Amino acid sequence: TQLLEQSPQFLSIQEGENLTVYCNSSSVFSSLQWYRQEPGEGPVLLVTVVTGGEVKKLKRLTFQFGDARKDSSLHITAAQPGDTGLYLCAVNTNAGKSTFGDGTTLTVKP
Amino acid sequence: NAGVMQNPRHLVRRRGQEARLRCSPMKGHSHVYWYRQLPEEGLKFMVYLQKENIIDESGMPKERFSAEFPKEGPSILRIQQVVRGDSAAYFCASSPSRDAVLTFGAGSRLTVL
Repeated sequence: TQLLEQSPQFLSIQEGENLTVYCNSSSVFSSLQWYRQEPGEGPVLLVTVVTGGEVKKLKRLTFQFGDARKDSSLHITAAQPGDTGLYLCAVNTNAGKSTFGDGTTLTVKP
Repeated sequence: NAGVMQNPRHLVRRRGQEARLRCSPMKGHSHVYWYRQLPEEGLKFMVYLQKENIIDESGMPKERFSAEFPKEGPSILRIQQVVRGDSAAYFCASSPSRDAVLTFGAGSRLTVL
């Protein structure tokens, strides 16, 4: 079983719409990261959330860490074509390595 | 300050050949991680190295795959006798310490014919 379950797997929306993607687990984590990966490139870190219930904003992106630190969500307001990409959540597991979910592939159509 | 540099960006090999992928971490980073990504999937951990030492290779196949991070020079992921199933994007990441946030390279895309 996957440590991190991301949903939906694919999402296609029109420019200007809002959306939320999720990262869920049955395990508790000390922190969680969100990355965005554009086609042909490596993942780029967007944010790290640490405290249960924490909300962080990055322009039109809002990240929330669940109260129990088992899950997280990413909400995008007024999506733009430049938001298109693969959104990955990740956590640090034993021995310092990061484990990733399978991601949500977002397509924003003009 | 250059980021994580990977080369080659694209590599084509025939079945049975060897593939060597190189990764130069960010300046000051001594921890290197290799991940593999299949199309429309997340990244799967392969190996974690710290200068001259393999810390965790639990995600790396036991046969044909090896990794090193010598005292001088880049980290190298080596795949011997490649098969079509090895076709994937291989990403390297580095960090200044264990449990620190990772910085990724742009990846090396291996195609096995």
